[in-house]
Amino acid sequence: GESVGLHLPTLSVQEGDNSIINCAYSNSASDYFIWYKQESGKGPQFIIDIRSNMDKRQGQRVTVLLNKTVKHLSLQIAATQPGDSAVYFCAEGRPSGYSTLTFGKGTMLLVSP
Amino acid sequence: DADVTQTPRNRITKTGKRIMLECSQTKGHDRMYWYRQDPGLGLRLIYYSFDVKDINKGEISDGYSVSRQAQAKFSLSLESAIPNQTALYFCATSDFPSGGPSSYNEQFFGPGTRLTVL
Repeated sequence: GESVGLHLPTLSVQEGDNSIINCAYSNSASDYFIWYKQESGKGPQFIIDIRSNMDKRQGQRVTVLLNKTVKHLSLQIAATQPGDSAVYFCAEGRPSGYSTLTFGKGTMLLVSP
Repeated sequence: DADVTQTPRNRITKTGKRIMLECSQTKGHDRMYWYRQDPGLGLRLIYYSFDVKDINKGEISDGYSVSRQAQAKFSLSLESAIPNQTALYFCATSDFPSGGPSSYNEQFFGPGTRLTVL
């Protein structure tokens, strides 16, 4: 069936490697950032978030790094597993009185056993 | 997330038909959202609602309308469907953020509705 992964940047890694997925955001006023994982046929699932007063936040096997100087966000996944294969989206929250999110186009992560 | 359900899961319709997509949530969240997803374009916000009496247009609201029938229900309508509205549609919910109305909380997504307009 149709895949949301068509035409997306793709990162291919071996099981056990560390993965780094990058995201450039557009608005220097954005003060909230979030990573979502989307498996085939499913809705996006929350992974981790970070606010602009931080530059690093760690979760279980995941770390998000925020570089406000160059408007860059990255998601690091340690010891990548085949179950991590999915499309990963970053999103930014722009202060506007209403807390809506603007999503990036996504990166497909393919993990080989 | 099983607490956010969408019906139907798949729908094929013809140009000019009226279509309603429904979303229900049991999370008790005040905030609900409708997004569409096209291959290679990520998620784009159509409409959002921060409580039953609040409706706001998103990035791509033209050709769509919404109704917030209750805190738990938010429906999306295509009054006269056209082929370029063929896409995956997602509903999402979020709680009122502890940091105040202009702050953020994660959004919880439903499983999606695949809509095809012929």
